[in-house]
Amino acid sequence: EPEVTQTPSHQVTQMGQEVILRCVPISNHLYFYWYRQILGQKVEFLVSFYNNEISEKSEIFDDQFSVERPDGSNFTLKIRSTKLEDSAMYFCASSRLTKPQHFGDGTRLSIL
Amino acid sequence: KNEVEQSPQNLTAQEGEFITINCSYSVGISALHWLQQHPGGGIVSLFMLSSGKKKHGRLIATINIQEKHSSLHITASHPRDSAVYICAVRRLQGAQKLVFGQGTRLTINP
Repeated sequence: EPEVTQTPSHQVTQMGQEVILRCVPISNHLYFYWYRQILGQKVEFLVSFYNNEISEKSEIFDDQFSVERPDGSNFTLKIRSTKLEDSAMYFCASSRLTKPQHFGDGTRLSIL
Repeated sequence: KNEVEQSPQNLTAQEGEFITINCSYSVGISALHWLQQHPGGGIVSLFMLSSGKKKHGRLIATINIQEKHSSLHITASHPRDSAVYICAVRRLQGAQKLVFGQGTRLTINP
C-alpha cells in the first residue's frame, strides 16, 4: 500500500538555524498538509497546499514558515530561523478530495 | 473551548474487555476521523465517517450527526491495541484541514 514518507525521522538543530523537513506524498494525491504536535499536546494544523499554492494556513504558520513542492514528488516545510518553541513532531499528510488523509511517521524536531 | 473533546483522556483495561472512547464536537462537519497514534509517534487513519457506522475487524466506529457525537469501540481488546486514539473532524465549510481532539491514551493489560 502506498505510504507518505518523511525525512529525516529526527532533526536536531541549533536555535536560529534553518531547517527543511521533507515529505514524499502518495503519488496520486492532490492535497498536502503539514501538522505539528508539541510534546504532550494535541495535533495542530499548520498549512494545506493544493494546485501549487497554499489553500489554508493557521495562525502558527507565520513568516518564518514556508512550504514548497519543488518537483513532482517532494513537499517541503522550511522553518527559517528556528526557536525553542518550534520543537515538536511534524507530520506531513496527503489526500485526495474528500478522502481520508494519509500521514507520514513524522519528523521529530529538537531545537537546542 | 476546544471544538473537539474526547473522553476519557486515559483508559486502562484488562485484555478482553470491551472498550468505548467518545468524541463530541461543536461545529458542523463534513467528516469525522478516528486515528491511532503509536508510542513511536506515527499516525494511522482507522476510519472516516460522515454518517452511521463502520466496522473493521474488532474496531467499530459510530457517529450521530444530530447529537454531534461519535464513539470508537474495540471488542475483545488486546495489549497490542494500546495506543493513543484521536478523533479529528473536517469542518463543513470548505477547508480540508483536520481539527484534532486531545486524544485518549488506551492501555490494555494482559
